[in-house]
Amino acid sequence: RKEVEQDPGPFNVPEGATVAFNCTYSNSASQSFFWYRQDCRKEPKLLMSVYSSGNEDGRFTAQLNRASQYISLLIRDSKLSDSATYLCVVSSAGANNLFFGTGTRLTVIP
Amino acid sequence: DGGITQSPKYLFRKEGQNVTLSCEQNLNHDAMYWYRQDPGQGLRLIYYSQIVNDFQKGDIAEGYSVSREKKESFPLTVTSAQKNPTAFYLCASSPRERGNTIYFGEGSWLTVV
Repeated sequence: RKEVEQDPGPFNVPEGATVAFNCTYSNSASQSFFWYRQDCRKEPKLLMSVYSSGNEDGRFTAQLNRASQYISLLIRDSKLSDSATYLCVVSSAGANNLFFGTGTRLTVIP
Repeated sequence: DGGITQSPKYLFRKEGQNVTLSCEQNLNHDAMYWYRQDPGQGLRLIYYSQIVNDFQKGDIAEGYSVSREKKESFPLTVTSAQKNPTAFYLCASSPRERGNTIYFGEGSWLTVV
């Protein structure tokens, strides 16, 4: 079983739609969780960290469910500029314990 | 500007040649990493370093070498022993504390011709 699993998509949604991605992780001792955004042929950039209590940044909401071992990302009022691949990242103790999902591709359609 | 600088951005290599990708950071981060990304695939860890003069193999270290002589610098050499080196290479850094965010350079595209 992979450490981190994501639905690769693609998710094609119209502008203004609400879309949600989930990411499951296998290590119950995982401590830190992040969502990154990666545009085509570019480096991943931090979108938001995911806190136990859940957190929101504008149109983006991230949640953590430790019992079921998944994190989620909700995007409201999708914009064309939200089109990208969204990577889930999970870490436990140690510098070599960062695990990346393969990413979920989102395309927002006019 | 603070950040991670990778060079070159695009590199073409002939088969049998070694090439070195540069990575410099001015974020004062202790840990540095090299990842490889193939089209449509996730990131795979090549090497990482938590402190100067020390580095560890990642999941796909064969055919690669690194050095960490300075905190700011973590160059990656792709040797001729790497069978399929054409890929997007990403350097990253993070503070040593657990759970801190990892930051990426802009990446280097290596193509073997």
